Amino acid sequence: NAGVTQTPKFRVLKTGQSMTLLCAQDMNHEYMYWYRQDPGMGLRLIHYSVGEGTTAKGEVPDGYNVSRLKKQNFLLGLESAAPSQTSVYFCASRLTGGENIQYFGAGTRLSVL
Amino acid sequence: AQSVSQHNHHVILSEAASLELGCNYSYGGTVNLFWYVQYPGQHLQLLLKYFSGDPLVKGIKGFEAEFIKSKFSFNLRKPSVQWSDTAEYFCAVKNAGNMLTFGGGTRLMVKP
Repeated sequence: NAGVTQTPKFRVLKTGQSMTLLCAQDMNHEYMYWYRQDPGMGLRLIHYSVGEGTTAKGEVPDGYNVSRLKKQNFLLGLESAAPSQTSVYFCASRLTGGENIQYFGAGTRLSVL
Repeated sequence: AQSVSQHNHHVILSEAASLELGCNYSYGGTVNLFWYVQYPGQHLQLLLKYFSGDPLVKGIKGFEAEFIKSKFSFNLRKPSVQWSDTAEYFCAVKNAGNMLTFGGGTRLMVKP
């Protein structure tokens, strides 16, 4: 059971480039989340999804887009990367209802030059 | 908007010292509270949680936390830390929208 898998683990982009981060979970979870982690600011929610085909904005959605075409996958896209998007990105998932225990992936470290 | 405050950004302790990390939240309703830990190079893992009942909850690796409703606090404690406890610790609160709000994190370094 792999849990939550994020690819890639590291990436360096130039300003203006685009990329997609992939999150895959094999736990049949309905909910999926994308966070960014910055020093001293904890984790901030970018976008989330409550099920296949649905997405919603979180606390810091600007500059990002997401898609949930399949239940097990949640993609985070950067259309035109900016240095302010240098961060560590975490994906998480959880079951519907219950105790809202989120399971996290290992993270993607992104640097935008 | 709900917020979570972790007052200590960096803590340095020697092995066998006692640990207490502060967490305060701003939300007047029913809360679900969590502590997550992130070991160097690893993903976040759930350390312990509080939903209801006994306000003193025990988690993995000898950690415990006490929910004090009157103080809006959920402090994390461990009587005797080990070098392997070196990590970043995050307090989180489930808000009315069923989302988690995280504190800024506390980096703990335990010197051998």
